Amino acid sequence: KAGVTQTPRYLIKTRGQQVTLSCSPISGHRSVSWYQQTPGQGLQFLFEYFSETQRNKGNFPGRFSGRQFSNSRSEMNVSTLELGDSALYLCASGGPTEAFFGQGTRLTVV
Amino acid sequence: DAKTTQPPSMDCAEGRAANLPCNHSTISGNEYVYWYRQIHSQGPQYIIHGLKNNETNEMASLIITEDRKSSTLILPHATLRDTAVYYCIVRVAVSIQGAQKLVFGQGTRLTINP
Repeated sequence: KAGVTQTPRYLIKTRGQQVTLSCSPISGHRSVSWYQQTPGQGLQFLFEYFSETQRNKGNFPGRFSGRQFSNSRSEMNVSTLELGDSALYLCASGGPTEAFFGQGTRLTVV
Repeated sequence: DAKTTQPPSMDCAEGRAANLPCNHSTISGNEYVYWYRQIHSQGPQYIIHGLKNNETNEMASLIITEDRKSSTLILPHATLRDTAVYYCIVRVAVSIQGAQKLVFGQGTRLTINP
């Protein structure tokens, strides 16, 4: 069974730009969650989608948004990038009892 | 979800058992204890979870105290590849497939020494 696939793995953007990250969950999983990991704040929950609907949302500004498609693939978008948005962005595919994480997308904002 | 407390770091010799403690004194009756680990720059990896009985799988054992206020993750024969940050998370059981919102603390940085 293929794992969680995140693309791209690495990304460099300039302040003020916007970025879209992609996540393909494990086949059959309908839940996708997104997390941001920084050295200072650790792993923080961004939002969760289930059957194309946002079901949970973390404490992040409106510049962070996401969506889920009918095939369960998910994208997250960050607009008007700030230096502090530099982080490892992780996607998790939700199984019946546990989450499976992808390798993440490392975003650097310069 | 209940808050967890873990030591920031631990060391263990290769081949010995690594015992990682976690306190969750405010855990509710319907909350499970989950353990994940994160090897440097990779996504977190699920290890094990339990409600009140001790659990064992191919990776580890989970010992939960009778009052459920604390637990211990045991890696029976630690190897260098077990060096990672280990997260103890308490969360309610999911009633709908894949309801996932995990609240990560700072975890325990476990170093396995040769």
